[in-house]
Amino acid sequence: DAGVTQSPTHLIKTRGQQVTLRCSPISGHKSVSWYQQVLGQGPQFIFQYYEKEERGRGNFPDRFSARQFPNYSSELNVNALLLGDSALYLCASSFSGGGISYEQYFGPGTRLTVT
Amino acid sequence: QQQVKQSPQSLIVQKGGISIINCAYENTAFDYFPWYQQFPGKGPALLIAIRPDVSEKKEGRFTISFNKSAKQFSLHIMDSQPGDSATYFCAASPHNAGNMLTFGGGTRLMVKP
Repeated sequence: DAGVTQSPTHLIKTRGQQVTLRCSPISGHKSVSWYQQVLGQGPQFIFQYYEKEERGRGNFPDRFSARQFPNYSSELNVNALLLGDSALYLCASSFSGGGISYEQYFGPGTRLTVT
Repeated sequence: QQQVKQSPQSLIVQKGGISIINCAYENTAFDYFPWYQQFPGKGPALLIAIRPDVSEKKEGRFTISFNKSAKQFSLHIMDSQPGDSATYFCAASPHNAGNMLTFGGGTRLMVKP
């Protein structure tokens, strides 16, 4: 079975630009969460979507937004890029997204470099 | 603020030895505690997870020990192998907050042959 897939693998953008990252969850999983991992640190929670609704939001500015589609895939958008947005962006897939915590499975990530 | 504190930051163990990584949390609402293994350039891979209704969980060479009163949990890797060399992250999520994981800062493990 295919795991979580993310695209693109790598991305280089200039300050002020906008970027869209994509994620496809494991088949049968209805929840997608997004995390930012700065080099040398643990991942930080950005968003969770379940059944196309936002279920959680981390401490990130409004420049970050996301959505989930009817097929449960998801996009993360970041506007007005800053140098500090350079990081590995991880997507995690889970069967359920509400109430009791379920196992989350991460994709390989998208490496974003802002110059 | 860092709600999950992980130690040590780095660890060197001889092949066949026991690797021990510790985490402490502050938020008493946390009720799910997974451990992840991450290799360079890869996403974190779920190793093992525990809920606070048990004090220990074992899967193969990996064991989680959980102390609810001390708000601490640890990962033990028995018979450590060079292939275990990676960065390990503990994490926690609160009751009824689904999948909002808070991660520790990570431990870089090196297993020497």
